[in-house]
Amino acid sequence: AQRVTQPEKLLSVFKGAPVELKCNYSYSGSPELFWYVQYSRQRLQLLLRHISRESIKGFTADLNKGETSFHLKKPFAQEEDSAMYYCALLGAGSYQLTFGKGTKLSVIP
Amino acid sequence: GAGVSQTPSNKVTEKGKYVELRCDPISGHTALYWYRQSLGQGPEFLIYFQGTGAADDSGLPNDRFFAVRPEGSVSTLKIQRTERGDSAVYLCASSLSGGADTQYFGPGTRLTVL
Repeated sequence: AQRVTQPEKLLSVFKGAPVELKCNYSYSGSPELFWYVQYSRQRLQLLLRHISRESIKGFTADLNKGETSFHLKKPFAQEEDSAMYYCALLGAGSYQLTFGKGTKLSVIP
Repeated sequence: GAGVSQTPSNKVTEKGKYVELRCDPISGHTALYWYRQSLGQGPEFLIYFQGTGAADDSGLPNDRFFAVRPEGSVSTLKIQRTERGDSAVYLCASSLSGGADTQYFGPGTRLTVL
């Protein structure tokens, strides 16, 4: 069975400080990993996916197959980054996303 | 263009009643998904449509839940004999053709069963 774990329910950082949102997964094959974000009163939206290797809004995430992790990082947090962040996994040949429970990021001015 | 829309945005019902939740996917998207998000949890998969057919309904919790997509566009999630445990946000998503295509989510319907 596949599983996504986000160990932190809430993460508070000061503006300008580095941010790391942790995500670990359990899956026997080669998954595709995603980060979705939900800003206050907005819908869930894709932030980035590992296969595209992009940096979106200053965020990056690297898939570490050895540690089965896909941590989300940003060097300098901004107030507008405050949101709920969900890590999600798509199994090979699958279409259903498996989500973690989410981490609420609060950036303190 | 318009994103995924869902109606109603909020639904309050009484235990034992029947409810229907509607999803309008992005035009041209053949794949449609329903997820359920309970308080403090991430979204959990319910059912996946490719065109008009339910390709995978393995996430539906029991036979009180049913979904249709008769013309390959709009989908309706139907819940019979609602229970308090059905209270959650029901999310719909669509993607261009399924597989690893990006899933675009709707705003959700918050269902409260009293």
